[in-house]
Amino acid sequence: SQQGEEDPQALSIQEGENATMNCSYKTSINNLQWYRQNSGRGLVHLILIRSNEREKHSGRLRVTLDTSKKSSSLLITASRAADTASYFCATALDYKLSFGAGTTVTVRA
Amino acid sequence: EAGVTQSPTHLIKTRGQQATLRCSPISGHTSVYWYQQALGLGLQFLLWYDEGEERNRGNFPPRFSGRQFPNYSSELNVNALELEDSALYLCASSPVGGSYQETQYFGPGTRLLVL
Repeated sequence: SQQGEEDPQALSIQEGENATMNCSYKTSINNLQWYRQNSGRGLVHLILIRSNEREKHSGRLRVTLDTSKKSSSLLITASRAADTASYFCATALDYKLSFGAGTTVTVRA
Repeated sequence: EAGVTQSPTHLIKTRGQQATLRCSPISGHTSVYWYQQALGLGLQFLLWYDEGEERNRGNFPPRFSGRQFPNYSSELNVNALELEDSALYLCASSPVGGSYQETQYFGPGTRLLVL
């Protein structure tokens, strides 16, 4: 079973717009991570936010974490065609990382 | 610094055969993780090896097995292949044993097709 669930499942935006996707999880966590996957290839780590952090930035990425609601959001600002990919959240639980099913983002030129 | 490498990139087998997938972690990384990503599904955790030992296992039958060698590279074996084993198999590594909660570095994957 999936620990994290991303929402929406798919997102299509125009280049230059912002993209927001959400992740909900079920149990307490140590940290929550976001990964990107291009065209069914390997995953690339984007950002890690610890349970005692509320917000984190990395370049055009902004991640928030609300442990009371067991949810996180990933915002990509000023999107580019190269941001077209699937985005996954992952939580550490029971000695493994559990991934959600992902949000597929398409950035139109 | 070289990333995680996996071989082969593609593998075609028939039902009942055995498949062997290989992974080399980033130099200095001692932990190796295996995941299965079936079409349209998220990543499902398969196995975690650290310092040559199996540390954790996902909800997969025993015909999924593996090992980690003294140089920390790893092998995933899938016996008695079934059609539903067709998937992208991803290997990841992390620098310190037990740091499964920290960043994992993924390889490009092996796409297995079972006919």
